[in-house]
Amino acid sequence: AQTVTQSQPEMSVQEAETVTLSCTYDTSESDYYLFWYKQPPSRQMILVIRQEAYKQQNATENRFSVNFQKAAKSFSLKISDSQLGDAAMYFCAYRSPMVTDKLIFGTGTRLQVFP
Amino acid sequence: DVKVTQSSRYLVKRTGEKVFLECVQDMDHENMFWYRQDPGLGLRLIYFSYDVKMKEKGDIPEGYSVSREKKERFSLILESASTNQTSMYLCASSVDTYGYTFGSGTRLTVV
Repeated sequence: AQTVTQSQPEMSVQEAETVTLSCTYDTSESDYYLFWYKQPPSRQMILVIRQEAYKQQNATENRFSVNFQKAAKSFSLKISDSQLGDAAMYFCAYRSPMVTDKLIFGTGTRLQVFP
Repeated sequence: DVKVTQSSRYLVKRTGEKVFLECVQDMDHENMFWYRQDPGLGLRLIYFSYDVKMKEKGDIPEGYSVSREKKERFSLILESASTNQTSMYLCASSVDTYGYTFGSGTRLTVV
């Protein structure tokens, strides 16, 4: 069974600085999808970024980018120019192509942003 | 934008009560999901459904059931609520591989 591990329960960053959140996963599949979700204090989970495993190019969405290392089964999220509104729980998630759209989530990383 | 609406933001129920958590989505998504979220455990899948009247058990289905009579509505049922079911419950819907759209969550307290 696939697993997703986020080894950093909490991280902090100064406003305008860069922070990287780690995520590793375990799978025997070659084709799959990876996601980062953000959950602010309002509790609404928001999709931050999506990566398709067959694409070697790292996904980017404005200040958010990933470092996808398929061989190492690593999928880290980099937040550049951090803003106070980036403070939230961040969840890494894995989707297998073999099961109807079921996501497997990590335990989350709480990011604090200091002014 | 797709909207997923959970009927209650906060809910307090007594042990042994039958509890219904309702979720409605407005964009004709085939797939719907119920997760519970607990600190340090992340999100764990309770049940999911990929079509009307279809349901599949997730990782922690014990003590829960679901109903999907219409495509837009997916209900989670706690047959006899217990204190260990105190948690945050998140509903989500999806289509294809574009990720989930989540509701705002229901924080359920069982006393």
